Amino acid sequence: QVRLVQSGAEVKKPGTSVTVSCKASGYTFTSYYMHWVRQAPGQGLEWMGIINPSSGGTTYAQQFQGRVTLTRDTSTNTVYMDLTSLRSEDTAVYYCARDYGDFWYFDRWGRGTLVTVSS
Amino acid sequence: QTVVTQEPSFSVSPGGTVTLTCGLSSGSVSTSFYPSWYRQTPGQAPLTLIYNTNTRSSGVPDRFSGSILGNKAALTITGAQADDESDYYCVLHMDSGISVFGGGTKLTVL
Repeated sequence: QVRLVQSGAEVKKPGTSVTVSCKASGYTFTSYYMHWVRQAPGQGLEWMGIINPSSGGTTYAQQFQGRVTLTRDTSTNTVYMDLTSLRSEDTAVYYCARDYGDFWYFDRWGRGTLVTVSS
Repeated sequence: QTVVTQEPSFSVSPGGTVTLTCGLSSGSVSTSFYPSWYRQTPGQAPLTLIYNTNTRSSGVPDRFSGSILGNKAALTITGAQADDESDYYCVLHMDSGISVFGGGTKLTVL
């Protein structure tokens, strides 16, 4: 079955960077795009970006341009989300979510990774 | 910047029908935005309900339906049940390749 397994919780200091991983299994990794979505405590969901695991091509939300980088490793079927220049407002649960394909929606979700930014 | 609008909160009686909407700060929502809907309970990852405007995700009961109503996407829940009490989010896909979430609707069943 399709599984998206994310890395564990992180605690980071302001100004540093974080990398969250999402390991996919149960399907052909390069056939489905992957999104990243985050949710700050008590807030709504926020789309961050998308990566094509086949080509490595990416598209990012404007508010994250220059701070977020999505990459993938096709040898391990893993997608990575790097977020730099962390600030307290980046404290959130970060989700990877598979894009089904034809209809631009998230059909499978990881369980989320809590990133806490605190001095 | 594109803003996707949703009612912040809504209330429905058990057994009742409620329609949540998903609009744009500027312009109309059409099927070309591939509207999708998700529900989320506290501490859980979102669950996919509807995609491509009106297609139910696998296992989603037919009490949930999607449509375009006027200039907005809509999610209708018929025969509301207590465990429908959740946060509901819509997502629109833009021509630029980005996806945008609405702010979410907190649905109360009482």
